[in-house]
Amino acid sequence: EVQLAESGGGLVQPGGSLRLSCAASGFTVSTNYITWVRQAPGKGLEWVSVIYSGGATYYADSVKDRFTISRDNSKNTVYLQMSNLRDEDTAVYYCAKYSGYGFLDYWGQGTLLTVSS
Amino acid sequence: DIQMTQSPSSLSASVGDRVTITCRASQTISTSLNWYQQKPGKAPHLLIFAATSLHSGVPSKFSGSGSGTDFTLTISSLQPEDFATYYCQQHYNFPWTFGQGTKVEIK
Repeated sequence: EVQLAESGGGLVQPGGSLRLSCAASGFTVSTNYITWVRQAPGKGLEWVSVIYSGGATYYADSVKDRFTISRDNSKNTVYLQMSNLRDEDTAVYYCAKYSGYGFLDYWGQGTLLTVSS
Repeated sequence: DIQMTQSPSSLSASVGDRVTITCRASQTISTSLNWYQQKPGKAPHLLIFAATSLHSGVPSKFSGSGSGTDFTLTISSLQPEDFATYYCQQHYNFPWTFGQGTKVEIK
């Protein structure tokens, strides 16, 4: 059974850093595409980043140069390293498996990041 | 960036109603359009991919149509479990973008 489990969220001060984890089971992250999508409280969905099976990465302009997506194949886990955090980064962060055919077919339950002083 | 605009932003409907939600892209995206359903406190759930294809396990009361810039999601007969927020999403270009959502509420 395909499952994704996010962890690492919490309260961080503006300008701080945090790393989110997305542990996968039931499939191999190294041969799939994994994406991060976030949702600010009471707001809509915003795509954040994706890592392709070949290692290519892409970012939303709002997080470029501050966030880095990576993976550890031995742990079957994808990470989102976030730095220089801003109030507007406060959101639930979901990781999702990208099918390769253009859609996000499996999602984790989400982890909440709160950026506040 | 490709802007995705959904209408309406919210609607009230009764059980058994036929509901249609529209999504318009700011430029042509062919059929690179997905629809998701999200219930409060839960992750989104894929309904339709490639504008018209029903995802595995999704009831046939959901259907999608459109290509280019204009797309629709239709629920043929609204049931209590369908009250939720619906999002369209394009994957034609980076950055992938979502519509602002349409909240379907009980009348």
